[in-house]
Amino acid sequence: DGGITQSPKYLFRKEGQNVTLSCEQNLNHDAMYWYRQDPGQGLRLIYYSQIVNDFQKGDIAEGYSVSREKKESFPLTVTSAQKNPTAFYLCASSITVPNEKLFFGSGTQLSVL
Amino acid sequence: GNSVTQMEGPVTLSEEAFLTINCTYTATGYPSLFWYVQYPGEGLQLLLKATKADDKGSNKGFEATYRKETTSFHLEKGSVQVSDSAVYFCALGYTGNQFYFGTGTSLTVIP
Repeated sequence: DGGITQSPKYLFRKEGQNVTLSCEQNLNHDAMYWYRQDPGQGLRLIYYSQIVNDFQKGDIAEGYSVSREKKESFPLTVTSAQKNPTAFYLCASSITVPNEKLFFGSGTQLSVL
Repeated sequence: GNSVTQMEGPVTLSEEAFLTINCTYTATGYPSLFWYVQYPGEGLQLLLKATKADDKGSNKGFEATYRKETTSFHLEKGSVQVSDSAVYFCALGYTGNQFYFGTGTSLTVIP
């Protein structure tokens, strides 16, 4: 079955540590996205990529980095510069035509030890 | 700019009650409009969508009509069930693959 796989489901970060969240899709979608969700709040866009080797900052990119070396993969690194990383992180993908829907992974909950 | 405003929750209803969750938007151009649903600990799933003015999206008893004149896309269901308890997000999808989400409305349906 096609879909988006995020791993791990739960992740803990120590002070000063970088951590990487995995996102893989087998939908053959060109566009991929990372969103952050805080309790009781909506989704905020961190980064998005419309094609391989290209990505753009979203509304809250500071303290995060991404890469898009393969069409299927869009990992997100939460760096030590992100001072408030505790949140639910959602990866999504879509076909690169206007107004197409997003497909979401099941998310990664990141917490700080 | 582009933005989506949803009614604040949480909303608590009894089973078989009528549901309305309000959503209004600001957009330039001609976006598609979406409702997504999120169950606890999971990602979002598309519930329904409408791609142009006066279109009605529908799925699983939920409906929403794209109203350009009032810039609205309100979600309705005639008779809610306990299994409809979730968080509902209104969103607009725009050229260039930018999507804008509302803050979400939590719905709890009690037996």
